[in-house]
Amino acid sequence: AQKITQTQPGMFVQEKEAVTLDCTYDTSDQSYGLFWYKQPSSGEMIFLIYQGSYDEQNATEGRYSLNFQKARKSTNLVISASQLGDSAMYFCAMREGGIGKLVFGAGTILRVKS
Amino acid sequence: DGGITQSPKYLFRKEGQNVTLSCEQNLNHDAMYWYRQDPGQGLRLIYYSQIVNDFQKGDIAEGYSVSREKKESFPLTVTSAQKNPTAFYLCASRSISEVLGMVHSPLHFGNGTRLTVT
Repeated sequence: AQKITQTQPGMFVQEKEAVTLDCTYDTSDQSYGLFWYKQPSSGEMIFLIYQGSYDEQNATEGRYSLNFQKARKSTNLVISASQLGDSAMYFCAMREGGIGKLVFGAGTILRVKS
Repeated sequence: DGGITQSPKYLFRKEGQNVTLSCEQNLNHDAMYWYRQDPGQGLRLIYYSQIVNDFQKGDIAEGYSVSREKKESFPLTVTSAQKNPTAFYLCASRSISEVLGMVHSPLHFGNGTRLTVT
């Protein structure tokens, strides 16, 4: 069974507008971590933001924020004021417990239009 | 500057040959990981190591081998037994204090090696 599901293969957003990238996950653990990474065309993986399963507040890092809905097992990434440099592949990932194995979703390609 | 170095960036090999991908880190991290990425897809875990001289198989270990003789180095060998070796390979790491019961630390990634086997 898929642990991480990203249902949007590709998204377009107009420059300066906000965009939401969806991610749902499946786990029976009480303790887990959720991560978002950005992968530009160069291939590097850039860590964006983290949400812990026990965190009561939605995580925020600059223009990135998470809409974490624990009961629905979803953690959607919101990018505000999109920039051309935000065009990239975005991956949602989950770590169960403390082992360190990150499980990744299939990713969403975001294209920012000028 | 601390970081993870993967070399080379591009690698070409003939079918039937083994090839070793290098991964070196100077972050003093205990745990290291190898992921494979196919076009348009997410990352899949090949092998990981939490301490020197110890490593575990990930989800797609068949056709691959690793060694962890030094804390800084975690080379990956793609053997001729790997049926579809052409892919983008990413190495990552994190510290042991982050591994032990702390779920909130991100993996630090290298820039990847793109392997093409013909």
